[in-house]
Amino acid sequence: NAGVTQTPKFQVLKTGQSMTLQCAQDMNHNSMYWYRQDPGMGLRLIYYSASEGTTDKGEVPNGYNVSRLNKREFSLRLESAAPSQTSVYFCASSDRLDTEAFFGQGTRLTVV
Amino acid sequence: SQQGEEDPQALSIQEGENATMNCSYKTSINNLQWYRQNSGRGLVHLILIRSNEREKHSGRLRVTLDTSKKSSSLLITASRAADTASYFCATDYKLSFGAGTTVTVRA
Repeated sequence: NAGVTQTPKFQVLKTGQSMTLQCAQDMNHNSMYWYRQDPGMGLRLIYYSASEGTTDKGEVPNGYNVSRLNKREFSLRLESAAPSQTSVYFCASSDRLDTEAFFGQGTRLTVV
Repeated sequence: SQQGEEDPQALSIQEGENATMNCSYKTSINNLQWYRQNSGRGLVHLILIRSNEREKHSGRLRVTLDTSKKSSSLLITASRAADTASYFCATDYKLSFGAGTTVTVRA
């Protein structure tokens, strides 16, 4: 049972480049989330999807877009990367918004 | 702003001692969860306490919830080196996390 799988694990981008972070879960969960974690800041919610077909902004959505491709997959897109988006990105999933969440191992993104 | 805020930011204790950390939140909740993060890894769920519960135990973990004060505490008893990690609380409001408490257990 893989749980929540994020790809890639590491990425270096140049300012202005675009990329998509992929997340897939195999637990048949309804809800999925994207967070970023910066030193001393804890996890900040970027976007979440309460159920297939819905997405909503979190605390720090600017500069990002998301797609809930199907029940399993929730992708995060950076259209024009900026150095301020250098961070560790975590995807998570849960059965509902108020139940135990399972996290991926993270994507370490550096924008130079 | 973040829904949950942990206190203290950092805690250093001797192996065998207890560690207590607190979480304050802002809005009404149905439940509150605690998670652990080992360095560089994803978060792992520890315990969930519902708004109608005042205390909950899981192994060496004890969680309390005071909805009138909008606060929760996590107690780790008889700490071990393996408990060295960051601990986060999260409310069911968009599963929002605080900045966490970093716990270091010294041998």
